[in-house]
Amino acid sequence: QQQVKQSPQSLIVQKGGISIINCAYENTAFDYFPWYQQFPGKGPALLIAIRPDVSEKKEGRFTISFNKSAKQFSLHIMDSQPGDSATYFCAARVDKGSARQLTFGSGTQLTVLP
Amino acid sequence: KAGVTQTPRYLIKTRGQQVTLSCSPISGHRSVSWYQQTPGQGLQFLFEYFSETQRNKGNFPGRFSGRQFSNSRSEMNVSTLELGDSALYLCASSPTGRIATEAFFGQGTRLTVV
Repeated sequence: QQQVKQSPQSLIVQKGGISIINCAYENTAFDYFPWYQQFPGKGPALLIAIRPDVSEKKEGRFTISFNKSAKQFSLHIMDSQPGDSATYFCAARVDKGSARQLTFGSGTQLTVLP
Repeated sequence: KAGVTQTPRYLIKTRGQQVTLSCSPISGHRSVSWYQQTPGQGLQFLFEYFSETQRNKGNFPGRFSGRQFSNSRSEMNVSTLELGDSALYLCASSPTGRIATEAFFGQGTRLTVV
């Protein structure tokens, strides 16, 4: 129940295209859904996050779409750039009692071709 | 504002030894959580501390332990190292009492067990 399933495992997009990464979950106790970007040799960096009472959140070229009834959320990267090439992780948080933790998806390696 | 600092950055240990990793959170952040990152298992939650109290621990054996000091700095210890403990160990700090909200990650400590 703590799992977060992420797809695809890898994604290749042309410069200027839209990158879409999907995640699904089962645990209804999750109350916060962040996305992280990780470059080789670096720790994950928070990109954007959403709470389940919101269906969409946009920050610059990054948008999270959230479907509470389907228990799915996705990251859209508009006008993808070569500098966006990195590994992206979705995550989901439980913030109650002994179950308090952040669970990560398996990651998506994004390559944006110039 | 300084980021999350993890020391050392790289470590090579022999099977059976023990190791201590250190994490200095962003000033004012009181929640510190630890994660293990491996190619096979991805990012997995180890434990979380808030105000010197461990609030939750992930599904790891008792060889993995940690603590937090009054200045919010945290350490994790792994005893009787096994080859499978080779991983990138990441810590993250959060400005609120809620785990993972606006969490900032350090660059990690790369542990190699030989």
